Amino acid sequence: EAQVTQNPRYLITVTGKKLTVTCSQNMNHEYMSWYRQDPGLGLRQIYYSMNVEVTDKGDVPEGYKVSRKEKRNFPLILESPSPNQTSLYFCASRADRTYNEQFFGPGTRLTVL
Amino acid sequence: AQSVTQPDIHITVSEGASLELRCNYSYGATPYLFWYVQSPGQGLQLLLKYFSGDTLVQGIKGFEAEFKRSQSSFNLRKPSVHWSDAAEYFCAVGAGTGTASKLTFGTGTRLQVTL
Repeated sequence: EAQVTQNPRYLITVTGKKLTVTCSQNMNHEYMSWYRQDPGLGLRQIYYSMNVEVTDKGDVPEGYKVSRKEKRNFPLILESPSPNQTSLYFCASRADRTYNEQFFGPGTRLTVL
Repeated sequence: AQSVTQPDIHITVSEGASLELRCNYSYGATPYLFWYVQSPGQGLQLLLKYFSGDTLVQGIKGFEAEFKRSQSSFNLRKPSVHWSDAAEYFCAVGAGTGTASKLTFGTGTRLQVTL
């Protein structure tokens, strides 16, 4: 089954404790991205990756890091989480840079205390 | 830069009634337009998309949308709503080329369906 998986689905942590949210897709997609969803703000792009070792900032990259060492994986790293990063995070992938269907993961709800 | 406005934060309709969700976009060239649905606790699922051609686009689950360039709109419609349609709906515009290509989402419209 074609899918995007994220782990963990739920996470409660404390300020300053480094964490990683994993994202994996099994569709051999080139393009992957991370979004955060906040009430009243919709989805905002954090980072995206056009292919292995190619990443770039989205609209709200501050406080986040990403890496793309393998085509299928695109982890989101919070080196020093803060309460304003409490949010619902989605990973997404699509075949390439054109506007084909974008597949979303199930989301990770992160709470930073 | 592109932007999307969904003026209705929350809409309530009765089951069996018709539905129209509004979406207005801002972009200097011909946009790529999308509607996504997010059911509670789920990720986003693509309902339909417009790239070019026929301005009336059919999607899954009985939804359709009409692209109106003169009004910069891409409203989502369904003739008869089912209780399972209760969800949050997002309109998105795709713009840019090459490395700048990305989707910009609206703030969403939450649909409640009463029985």
